[in-house]
Amino acid sequence: DAKTTQPPSMDCAEGRAANLPCNHSTISGNEYVYWYRQIHSQGPQYIIHGLKNNETNEMASLIITEDRKSSTLILPHATLRDTAVYYCIVRGNFNKFYFGSGTKLNVKP
Amino acid sequence: NAGVTQTPKFRVLKTGQSMTLLCAQDMNHEYMYWYRQDPGMGLRLIHYSVGEGTTAKGEVPDGYNVSRLKKQNFLLGLESAAPSQTSVYFCASSYSREAKNIQYFGAGTRLSVL
Repeated sequence: DAKTTQPPSMDCAEGRAANLPCNHSTISGNEYVYWYRQIHSQGPQYIIHGLKNNETNEMASLIITEDRKSSTLILPHATLRDTAVYYCIVRGNFNKFYFGSGTKLNVKP
Repeated sequence: NAGVTQTPKFRVLKTGQSMTLLCAQDMNHEYMYWYRQDPGMGLRLIHYSVGEGTTAKGEVPDGYNVSRLKKQNFLLGLESAAPSQTSVYFCASSYSREAKNIQYFGAGTRLSVL
């Protein structure tokens, strides 16, 4: 199962777009990329997922490169409530998730 | 709709004691999972279940046992607790079908082993 690599922390100004990168260079052709976030020590919250094409929902956009070796989560207008740890996850068989250490996003006023 | 409910929320054990953590979901999900999260780290999969009566090992299964006697419940047992098992435990559930493979997480159980 593929693993992911993310920067440990990032800062973003409130109201600006937050772009969170993820490297998953060993991903296989049928493995999905998922993004979750964890606020304080609460249970992780689903954000978005995709396979090949770019995806958008009410929370965020997901851009996956053509070779699928990396992806970027975009929060279009970050707010203070978006301060959290963001996890990029590759889904294995039986829907098993492999979490890395995530990126701590600090949204600043 | 409660989603995924974990009990208890907090627990303190002495080394060698046993306990069972309960996870209940009301979404009729086929798959259920137990994770642990240590400080500053991501979640690691302990055990999982793909249906009633079935369980399988994840990344860090040693020292834990699980049972899924009913579809809606997934139990995690510690037979002889050790300080290394001090952690936050999360349960999750999901559908098995490709289009709905989103895991929904409970609020967690904070366990301290002294």
